[in-house]
Amino acid sequence: EAGVTQFPSHSVIEKGQTVTLRCDPISGHDNLYWYRRVMGKEIKFLLHFVKESKQDESGMPNNRFLAERTGGTYSTLKVQPAELEDSGVYFCASSPVRGTWGTEAFFGQGTRLTVV
Amino acid sequence: AQKVTQAQTEISVVEKEDVTLDCVYETRDTTYYLFWYKQPPSGELVFLIRRNSFDEQNEISGRYSWNFQKSTSSFNFTITASQVVDSAVYFCALSEATGRRALTFGSGTRLQVQP
Repeated sequence: EAGVTQFPSHSVIEKGQTVTLRCDPISGHDNLYWYRRVMGKEIKFLLHFVKESKQDESGMPNNRFLAERTGGTYSTLKVQPAELEDSGVYFCASSPVRGTWGTEAFFGQGTRLTVV
Repeated sequence: AQKVTQAQTEISVVEKEDVTLDCVYETRDTTYYLFWYKQPPSGELVFLIRRNSFDEQNEISGRYSWNFQKSTSSFNFTITASQVVDSAVYFCALSEATGRRALTFGSGTRLQVQP
């Protein structure tokens, strides 16, 4: 069974450009999460989808970040325009059961974003 | 608000030594889950263990063991007879029943096991 897959693995962009990160969760997983780790600090929650609906987006830093999950399958996270402080590793995670709390989440390998 | 503290930024040990990674958490919920994840050099986060707040039994899995103490709000992780393959960043995380259900992570502890 394929795990959580994230594209690209690395991205280097200039300040002001747009970048789109993609996450393919494990097939059949309703829950999809985005997290971010900036400069060796803690991994911080960005948002949570249940199927195609945003369950919790309280962690999104500002309106330059837009996440979508059309059709409840893969998700994209767009940063527009990117700023230097957006640099970090963006993780996606999925878990299988809708409405159930406490199940472990399966993480992707992350996308390392560098804004120069 | 929930918070997870991993005070040890980096630990270096020699192979076969035992090592304990500390995790202290804060939460107002009485019902919560605690997790440990391992991040090897390949980058993905690998799930190690989950413990709910009503189960204070310690757990052992091979060379790994976990000590959960609600009295001190700690969930420490011990690796016995460490090996080079244990070198990774280890994250402790918290998920609350009525608060934020997504994971709240600590800042991670980088473990280097020298041969």
